[in-house]
Amino acid sequence: EPEVTQTPSHQVTQMGQEVILRCVPISNHLYFYWYRQILGQKVEFLVSFYNNEISEKSEIFDDQFSVERPDGSNFTLKIRSTKLEDSAMYFCASMNGNSKNIQYFGAGTRLSVL
Amino acid sequence: GQQLNQSPQSMFIQEGEDVSMNCTSSSIFNTWLWYKQDPGEGPVLLIALYKAGELTSNGRLTAQFGITRKDSFLNISASIPSDVGIYFCAGYPGGSEKLVFGKGTKLTVNP
Repeated sequence: EPEVTQTPSHQVTQMGQEVILRCVPISNHLYFYWYRQILGQKVEFLVSFYNNEISEKSEIFDDQFSVERPDGSNFTLKIRSTKLEDSAMYFCASMNGNSKNIQYFGAGTRLSVL
Repeated sequence: GQQLNQSPQSMFIQEGEDVSMNCTSSSIFNTWLWYKQDPGEGPVLLIALYKAGELTSNGRLTAQFGITRKDSFLNISASIPSDVGIYFCAGYPGGSEKLVFGKGTKLTVNP
């Protein structure tokens, strides 16, 4: 069964460093998303991406964040200058755009900012 | 912003018992989804609901989309140890493509 894959599974970085989280969405999907989950809290929407541009973003997704689909298979989230409070699980999701509106999630990348 | 209020926050049950959890919202949601999250994993879809009043089953799981489009419940019958995990309701607020999640119900099943 097709699945969303995310790498790395765990990323440790120093505060102020840039990180890039990588995702390979399900191959025939058209809509891509990033969510984050701070330890013990609910999953929060960051950004949605369709047709090579951001279609919606939350207030969390400030100028430090950016997304890119550099080729036909990868979807990346970049954090330019990480802060301690960026420590969280980051989940990528994709959806194929049919009427079922189901987003499929990857296993996540745990980001630890020291 | 739109919020989903999920309850209970946690449940401790014996294997074989039935479980019920629910989500409510002050605003209308289009499409309710129930996900399960195991430790260190991403959310996995259990049931999707699309129409007000819709009742859908997936094995031992049953979920319903409330008539007012502001609530949903998930029932698990005859629980087993592998049902352990965190269950999230999620939905799309009207006009948005972002999923809004509840805070989750942590289920513990004692064998």
